[in-house]
Amino acid sequence: AQTVTQSQPEMSVQEAETVTLSCTYDTSENNYYLFWYKQPPSRQMILVIRQEAYKQQNATENRFSVNFQKAAKSFSLKISDSQLGDTAMYFCAKLGGNNRKLIWGLGTSLAVNP
Amino acid sequence: GAGVSQSPSNKVTEKGKDVELRCDPISGHTALYWYRQSLGQGLEFLIYFQGNSAPDKSGLPSDRFSAERTGGSVSTLTIQRTQQEDSAVYLCASSSRPGLDTNEQFFGPGTRLTVL
Repeated sequence: AQTVTQSQPEMSVQEAETVTLSCTYDTSENNYYLFWYKQPPSRQMILVIRQEAYKQQNATENRFSVNFQKAAKSFSLKISDSQLGDTAMYFCAKLGGNNRKLIWGLGTSLAVNP
Repeated sequence: GAGVSQSPSNKVTEKGKDVELRCDPISGHTALYWYRQSLGQGLEFLIYFQGNSAPDKSGLPSDRFSAERTGGSVSTLTIQRTQQEDSAVYLCASSSRPGLDTNEQFFGPGTRLTVL
């Protein structure tokens, strides 16, 4: 079975600093999609960033960037210049090429401290 | 509205009762997904609808769970004879047709179900 592992249940960072959240996954597919979603206390799941496995270039969205290591099956999220509004649960998820189901990690609770 | 909506926002029910949870996807989205998020857990896939194709029900945990999607739009998730372990947040998501240039799933705010 495919799995997504987030090994950090909780993390904290000081405002304006940089933090990296880790994610590893298991797959036998060559093409797939990886996502980081943010879930604040409002419960609304919000897409942060997306990476297509066939693209070697790491995705970047403003303060958010990923380090995608396909061979190592690693997909970490880096948040630069952390803001108080970044406080949330962060979920890593994988979407298979033939399988439209998102497979989710258990999440990392991130607290940004003033 | 422009986003995915779900109702009710919260539902408290007694063990053994049936409940219906509703999802209105983004207009024009052909794919619709239901997930369950239990306390301290990640999201668990339940069911997937794509256009007029037969739904993928492989994630439904028991035959007490069922879902339908009428007219390719609104979906209802029904849980019969609810049990305490059914307590969770039920999230609905929709996306444009898989295979296009985006595979982003847009999520609703969820329904928090509490079974007493």
